[in-house]
Formats: sequence, C-alpha cells, structure tokens
Amino acid sequence: QKEVEQNSGPLSVPEGAIASLNCTYSDRGSQSFFWYRQYSGKSPELIMSIYSNGDKEDGRFTAQLNKASQYVSLLIRDSQPSDSATYLCAVGRDDKIIFGKGTRLHILP
Amino acid sequence: ETGVTQTPRHLVMGMTNKKSLKCEQHLGHNAMYWYKQSAKKPLELMFVYSLEERVENNSVPSRFSPECPNSSHLFLHLHTLQPEDSALYLCASSQATGYEQYFGPGTRLTVT
Repeated sequence: QKEVEQNSGPLSVPEGAIASLNCTYSDRGSQSFFWYRQYSGKSPELIMSIYSNGDKEDGRFTAQLNKASQYVSLLIRDSQPSDSATYLCAVGRDDKIIFGKGTRLHILP
Repeated sequence: ETGVTQTPRHLVMGMTNKKSLKCEQHLGHNAMYWYKQSAKKPLELMFVYSLEERVENNSVPSRFSPECPNSSHLFLHLHTLQPEDSALYLCASSQATGYEQYFGPGTRLTVT
C-alpha cells in the first residue's frame, strides 16, 4: 500500500474554474500535511501547510483535511494558466515527511 | 542571499570525474536534506541531516557521499557516477525534521 497517493493526471481545468487536487495517505497517525507546487524544471515551492481537520484558506488556495478519511485536498479558485504545474502532497509524522508522486494540473486558456 | 541556495545550477561530468554539489541555507534551520528527482519520477529522499548528524540514508550508492560541516551548509560529493545518475538534485532545509521543508533551486546534473 502506497503511503501517499495522488492521481498523476493530467487534470485539465478551464481557466477561471475551480481545480480540485486530492491526496490520500495510509498512516493514520500522520500529523502534518503540505502542498507544494512544482513548475517543469524547477524545484518544489511550499504553498500550504495544514495540521488540523477542516479548511485553511490562503488567497485563491484552500486546503481541506479530513483525518478520519485520511484525505487532504487542495482547491484552487479562479484557476489561471500560471497555475499549470505539478502539485505534490506531502504528509508528515514525527520527524518524517513523505511526498506523493504529484498531480499534473493543466489550466486550459 | 535568502532562502536555500545551490551551486552549481548545472553540471556536466564524465563518469570518471569527481565533483561536489553545494547547498547553503540562510533560514536558521537545523535540518537539511538531499533529494534526487529523475525525469517524470517522484522525489527520492537520499540523505537527512539534523544538527549536522546524519539521521537517514536511504540505501544510496557509495558513489554519493554527503557532508554537513555545520547547520547551514550541506555538500554532496560525487565520484565515478553512472549515466542513470543524471537528474535534478535538490537540497532542502527545515526548522527540524518533520517540519515543512524549503527547497533550493536544484542542480541539474548530466553524466556523460
């Protein structure tokens, strides 16, 4: 069983729509959850951290965490072509963080 | 300089060469990491240092040798590499292990 799972995509979303990216994890004791954005040929950039159940909003980004379902998602409102990238989910417990393989997001102009 | 810096940004080396990658973090963090990212593959954690002590080594071949002289600097020494070692090598740092990590721009390595 993979520890952090993401659909590899590509996920195609029209410009201006909401992009929804999903991530599931296997370790029920996981404590910290992160979303990174990685443009092609660049390094990952941290965009959101979430630690407790519920929603956390930052600008156009909303992270949603449901520990009971072992599920974390990232919503991007008013999607822009510049949001086209690979989004990595990372899950942490104690001193370890595990990255998923990422979902490629393509915003259609 | 701010954040995490890496040099060189690009490196081409032959299989018999010896080279080193350098990482420096200006964030006051205590943990540093080396990752390998091959084309269209996920991040592979190579080494973890916490307070200059190596805490994790994920079965990395001995041709990769890390060094952490202090909490701000991390090196990856390379020797007798193989063409399949060509990849983007990323350095990251965090306040402590398990905290959110901040990545450097990476070194694009090509082994010929």
